[in-house]
Amino acid sequence: AQSVTQLGSHVSVSEGALVLLRCNYSSSVPPYLFWYVQYPNQGLQLLLKYTSAATLVKGINGFEAEFKKSETSFHLTKPSAHMSDAAEYFCAVNWGNTPLVFGKGTRLSVIA
Amino acid sequence: DGGITQSPKYLFRKEGQNVTLSCEQNLNHDAMYWYRQDPGQGLRLIYYSQIVNDFQKGDIAEGYSVSREKKESFPLTVTSAQKNPTAFYLCASSTRTSGPTNTGELFFGEGSRLTVL
Repeated sequence: AQSVTQLGSHVSVSEGALVLLRCNYSSSVPPYLFWYVQYPNQGLQLLLKYTSAATLVKGINGFEAEFKKSETSFHLTKPSAHMSDAAEYFCAVNWGNTPLVFGKGTRLSVIA
Repeated sequence: DGGITQSPKYLFRKEGQNVTLSCEQNLNHDAMYWYRQDPGQGLRLIYYSQIVNDFQKGDIAEGYSVSREKKESFPLTVTSAQKNPTAFYLCASSTRTSGPTNTGELFFGEGSRLTVL
């Protein structure tokens, strides 16, 4: 079955530290991958998406993600965490024949 | 501005009552979706519709019903058969699910929080 795994339901970093949120997907190479962010009691907002144009994708708010086919991964990074980055982050994959499949999410806390 | 509007934002219901959550979009998207969100469980697909007058069950359709009479609207009814309806419900839309140039990107509403008393 097609699945998306986000390692770590909760990640805590200090302000100014590197943010790394992990996402791995199953099965064959998927056409499209996404990262969404959700702030409390709000909907999901697109951070970035991979559509096969370039393996390193830059998104909003200084985030970027790298598609690694050999590792079936699409990890999200940001060089320096800001307090406003505290939110929940979801990885999602489109295999082309069904609606997006989401990971269970990773809650990011940023410590001052 | 184009977007997705969900209402109400907060809803309280007594056990045994049906409730309907509204979702309207003006993005001219063909496909619409309903997800349920519970802490630690991510987003789970309830129903989706790729075209007017047609819809498909998702992973957790039991206890829910939908209709798609207009392209812009995709209301979700939480029936009394849903055993644990307290949750955050998210509506989304996209261009059609299939097709070589369609990325499947979803656009989300702000959500509706349902609490059963």
